[in-house]
Amino acid sequence: GAGVSQSPSNKVTEKGKDVELRCDPISGHTALYWYRQSLGQGLEFLIYFQGNSAPDKSGLPSDRFSAERTGGSVSTLTIQRTQQEDSAVYLCASSLGVNEKLFFGSGTQLSVL
Amino acid sequence: LAKTTQPISMDSYEGQEVNITCSHNNIATNDYITWYQQFPSQGPRFIIQGYKTKVTNEVASLFIPADRKSSTLSLPRVSLSDTAVYYCLVGFNYGGATNKLIFGTGTLLAVQP
Repeated sequence: GAGVSQSPSNKVTEKGKDVELRCDPISGHTALYWYRQSLGQGLEFLIYFQGNSAPDKSGLPSDRFSAERTGGSVSTLTIQRTQQEDSAVYLCASSLGVNEKLFFGSGTQLSVL
Repeated sequence: LAKTTQPISMDSYEGQEVNITCSHNNIATNDYITWYQQFPSQGPRFIIQGYKTKVTNEVASLFIPADRKSSTLSLPRVSLSDTAVYYCLVGFNYGGATNKLIFGTGTLLAVQP
């Protein structure tokens, strides 16, 4: 595709529900990142995938958060039992590899009521 | 935990040169320094990347001293459309094979007419 695609662009959910956010990286990009950005704040690292290596999950804020990357391409970020403090924009980025520039998607705006 | 540090905000006028400095004391030997620009409701966009000394492209210059513990993004002759948040990004390797990319706090540049 032309760029990193994220879906949905907006998601409104009720507290306690589970949500899944999807990221389609640029074809051929081996590295994929998830970040979270709360209103008016900077980017918070969540998780990093590189090729077939075990992902770096050290940024995930709690065990309610998990992510998968199937076949080295599409990634899904899952938030279980959502809380109001999970409300934020979730950004996905991909790159050709280590120390290569990141290409970001437009993000998913998650609102937990 | 090692992090990057930037000024929270800067003001400038159209036509002026703007320099934004980022501190990254614990940068790893193999890490590059990358700057991104972010407009509201969009994902960050790559501006420039460097390893040491000076790098220049069509939109900016990046100055990196010999110790690489800081870097300065220079925007020549800014215009109103340069009003955005600018992020400094370096990779931190915590002794393993990961490449967790930590964004700085971001600098909100406001360009006045």
